[in-house]
Amino acid sequence: KQEVTQIPAALSVPEGENLVLNCSFTDSAIYNLQWFRQDPGKGLTSLLLIQSSQREQTSGRLNASLDKSSGRSTLYIAASQPGDSATYLCAVLQGAQKLVFGQGTRLTINP
Amino acid sequence: DVKVTQSSRYLVKRTGEKVFLECVQDMDHENMFWYRQDPGLGLRLIYFSYDVKMKEKGDIPEGYSVSREKKERFSLILESASTNQTSMYLCASSFRRGQYSYEQYFGPGTRLTVT
Repeated sequence: KQEVTQIPAALSVPEGENLVLNCSFTDSAIYNLQWFRQDPGKGLTSLLLIQSSQREQTSGRLNASLDKSSGRSTLYIAASQPGDSATYLCAVLQGAQKLVFGQGTRLTINP
Repeated sequence: DVKVTQSSRYLVKRTGEKVFLECVQDMDHENMFWYRQDPGLGLRLIYFSYDVKMKEKGDIPEGYSVSREKKERFSLILESASTNQTSMYLCASSFRRGQYSYEQYFGPGTRLTVT
């Protein structure tokens, strides 16, 4: 059974720092990995999707990498801003189009 | 932009009531999903649908049913609401990005309280 783990559960950094969020998964047979952002009490916003054949994807200050063989993905956020404060979730897609989610990392950027 | 909308942001119902949660997507996506999200338990899949009138059970279907009469609309039904169904309910739809790759988009969520 696929398990997705995100460590740490919470992270607090000063504004302007570059930071890395980690995601690991136990079964490398995935079709893609998706990173989401969730603000308190809101739905999930899709940030980046990496297909299984890809190594990384970039969008603005965000860069996500995927190493299927080691079961790891990272989300790199450059020059963090207070508006980046949110919970970040990663999820992997397996058969039957079912996403398996991690528990998330709650990120706080301090001004 | 993909738009997934849910009929209510907040809902309060009484135990034993029949509850309907509606979800609509405007991008002609084939697949639609219902999740619930609870602190400490994360997101759990209730049901999903890959075509009109088709449905598949997710991880926690007990106490729920679904309906998909039109491609753009997917309804979650709580036949007899109970307090343990108090939760945040999230609807999603997905489309094909690659041969086996699908990207999911989520609605804003419905916070349901059953008293």
